Amino acid sequence: AAGVIQSPRHLIKEKRETATLKCYPIPRHDTVYWYQQGPGQDPQFLISFYEKMQSDKGSIPDRFSAQQFSDYHSELNMSSLELGDSALYFCASSLVGGRAAETQYFGPGTRLLVL
Amino acid sequence: SQELEQSPQSLIVQEGKNLTINCTSSKTLYGLYWYKQKYGEGLIFLMMLQKGGEEKSHEKITAKLDEKKQQSSLHITASQPSHAGIYLCGADGDDKIIFGKGTRLHILP
Repeated sequence: AAGVIQSPRHLIKEKRETATLKCYPIPRHDTVYWYQQGPGQDPQFLISFYEKMQSDKGSIPDRFSAQQFSDYHSELNMSSLELGDSALYFCASSLVGGRAAETQYFGPGTRLLVL
Repeated sequence: SQELEQSPQSLIVQEGKNLTINCTSSKTLYGLYWYKQKYGEGLIFLMMLQKGGEEKSHEKITAKLDEKKQQSSLHITASQPSHAGIYLCGADGDDKIIFGKGTRLHILP
């Protein structure tokens, strides 16, 4: 069965550079969630989109922005990268927007290292 | 805001032994998820519990939800090296999942 695809899987950037992370949800899933997991930390919710509209916002820095496109894939854009942005970034998708009661299927994550 | 507390934070168990991991919520649980994460890798969905008293099993892993206690427990029977990793509980948090800090499980051969 198709799963959530994230690209790239690994990314190395320098401070003040920009990065774009991509997420391709499971086919027919209409909701995408982004989470950030710092080293040794639990995943923290960043932002979510339902039917291409932002549905919820968590602890996402102003330097980050995200959007969901007409094909439901999502991109997380990160600018002015800081050392503290080094983390594993997960994308998850679900079929029913508005509640997390439906299981969120997580992608393998993108590991970002900022030097 | 809702918080999930997991205990223990880390666990070292001899292979073949049973173990239990607990997840306690600061608020009423409407949905509780268990995930496994190998160090630095993705989240593997184990099971979801939605009703008080519900119990589900996946291979040698059993999870229960005690709605009144706002708690869930994950029990592994006859642990194996493949069970090693980080176990995270997650709860419905209004269109997102709120995670516990995780329990790091090490299995000794």
